[in-house]
Amino acid sequence: EAQVTQNPRYLITVTGKKLTVTCSQNMNHEYMSWYRQDPGLGLRQIYYSMNVEVTDKGDVPEGYKVSRKEKRNFPLILESPSPNQTSLYFCASRAGETQYFGPGTRLLVL
Amino acid sequence: SQQGEEDPQALSIQEGENATMNCSYKTSINNLQWYRQNSGRGLVHLILIRSNEREKHSGRLRVTLDTSKKSSSLLITASRAADTASYFCATDARGSARQLTFGSGTQLTVLP
Repeated sequence: EAQVTQNPRYLITVTGKKLTVTCSQNMNHEYMSWYRQDPGLGLRQIYYSMNVEVTDKGDVPEGYKVSRKEKRNFPLILESPSPNQTSLYFCASRAGETQYFGPGTRLLVL
Repeated sequence: SQQGEEDPQALSIQEGENATMNCSYKTSINNLQWYRQNSGRGLVHLILIRSNEREKHSGRLRVTLDTSKKSSSLLITASRAADTASYFCATDARGSARQLTFGSGTQLTVLP
C-alpha cells in the first residue's frame, strides 16, 4: 500500500532533550516536506527536500533540522526542543502537484 | 506566510444540505487545491484546479476559481455526516519551488 509513515505518533518530552521524528514513504517520490499544524494557523511548512541531499527552509524552520540521505526517508530533528514547538507535525511527499500526508505526530514539550 | 484564508472558520449544516466554503489568496498561482482532514489525522487531497480553469467537478464536489478576485470556493452537495471534517485550501504559487501554502481551514460539521 502506498503510504507515508511517521514515528512516533505521540511524544511527550522535556525542554532541551533532542528528539527525532522519522518519516518514510514508499512511493519513490522525490519531493518531501514537513509541516506543523497549530490551532488557527493552518499548516506551516518547516522544511522541504526536492531530492536526496537537497533540502531547503520553509516558512518556520527555526529550531528544526532535517536530512535527506535516502529518497524514502526524511527525518525531522529537534536538537533542543522548547515548549513553543508543541504541535502536530505532518510529513508529506509529493507526486506531481498532489501531496500525500502521513498520519501526524503529536508532540508535547514540557 | 499564509497564502490562503478560508471563510467561514466553522460551518454547521444538516445532512442533505449543501456546504460552501471560500478561500482567498494573495499572489499569482499555478493551481489551487482543496484538502480534507478528519480530526487529528493527515490531510487527504480532494481536488485541484489550475489557474486557467474556472470550474471543476469531482463527484459531489464542485470547485470554482476566480483569479481576478484571487478566490476559490468549494461546494459539497447533498452533504453527509461522514463529510464532517476540516477543509483546507492550498495554493501552489508561481516561482515557489513547488511549495504549497495552506490556509487555516474551515471546520465543517454535518448534523444527522
